Parts: sequence; structure tokens; C-alpha cells
Amino acid sequence: IAGITQAPTSQILAAGRRMTLRCTQDMRHNAMYWYRQDLGLGLRLIHYSNTAGTTGKGEVPDGYSVSRANTDDFPLTLASAVPSQTSVYFCASRENRGLNTEAFFGQGTRLTVV
Amino acid sequence: AQSVTQLGSHVSVSEGALVLLRCNYSSSVPPYLFWYVQYPNQGLQLLLKYTTGATLVKGINGFEAEFKKSETSFHLTKPSAHMSDAAEYFCAVSAMNTGFQKLVFGTGTRLLVSP
Repeated sequence: IAGITQAPTSQILAAGRRMTLRCTQDMRHNAMYWYRQDLGLGLRLIHYSNTAGTTGKGEVPDGYSVSRANTDDFPLTLASAVPSQTSVYFCASRENRGLNTEAFFGQGTRLTVV
Repeated sequence: AQSVTQLGSHVSVSEGALVLLRCNYSSSVPPYLFWYVQYPNQGLQLLLKYTTGATLVKGINGFEAEFKKSETSFHLTKPSAHMSDAAEYFCAVSAMNTGFQKLVFGTGTRLLVSP
């Protein structure tokens, strides 16, 4: 059982470069999310998708974009990386059945922008 | 808007001692609350959740949490800490915001367990 797979697990990236973080789920969940985790700030929502073909902005969307061409994949792109985007990124998915459903998380991508 | 506050960024206990991690919530509607655990270099894993019904919720690894509406709290407890419990713990509330559902997380509490 894979659940949610993120790639790469870690990356060092030069500032100004473009980078796509990959996320794939095999649970057929409608909703998917990208969070970033920073010390002392917990997890903050970057972008979300309620269902394939739709996306929306979370709390901290600037500098990031997402797409949702199908149910399983939800890539996150940094168009031009900056050092403040150094963080651990988590992809999550959730059944869109109601507020009582939990989210499932990937193992994370540790990104360092230098 | 729904939110959660975790009191204490770090909690230290001795092995065998009671674990108490605090979480208070703010919500204008009946909340759905979650506790997640994050072991080093791993993703978040669900410990337990409160939806409706019984206010004492039992989770995995011997953890439990009690929903107290009068105190707007959902504290996480374990009677006897193990070394393997050392991890970061996140409280979260489920929220509806302009047509989509999301989890809003607290800032986390790191549990340190000493021998």
C-alpha cells in the first residue's frame, strides 16, 4: 500500500531555478493539498485542489503554482526559487466526504534553496 | 474562522511518566479535531480524531484525548511515556473556507522522553 508518494525526498536548489515537486496518491481521494512546514510555524497551506481540474490558493501561495490534470497527481512548481522557500513540503490527500475525514500525508520533500 | 493553539513548543518527560500535550481550539461551529504525530524525517500520521459522540477518544499507541467544550480544549494524554513516543505532535481542526475543506494546524509540540 503506497498511499502518497512524494519525489524527490530532498533537493538542494540554486536560487532562480525552476523546480517541480511531485505528488502521487493511489487512494482515489478527491481533495489534495500542499503544505510547507517551518520551525515554529507548524504547517501552512500553500495550494489545494477539491477535485481533478480545480485548484485554489491557500494561506501562502506566492511563488508557487499547482495543477491537477487527474485524480492521482498534484505537482507543485516553484517558478523561480528563492531562499525563503527553503522548507519541508508535504503533500496530503483527503476524501471529500465531510469535515470529519482525516488527511493522509506523504513523507515530505526537504528543499534547500541556496 | 477555526484555529487551534498548542501550548508549549517543547514538553519533556521521563520514561514512564504521564504525557500531557495541550491544545485549545477556536470555532464558531462544533469542531472536528485531530491529533497527528510526526516522527523524525517522516510525514504526519493520524493519532486520533474527535467528530461527534463520545468525548473521550482513544487513538493508537496508547494515546487518548478528551474533548471539553466548556474549556474549548482537546488535550492529548498518555499514562506512561515510552522512549519511542519522542516526536512532534500537531493538533488540527477541520475548517470550511470559501468552498473547500482544509485542516488548520497548530504550531506543534515536540515531546522529549528521557530515560
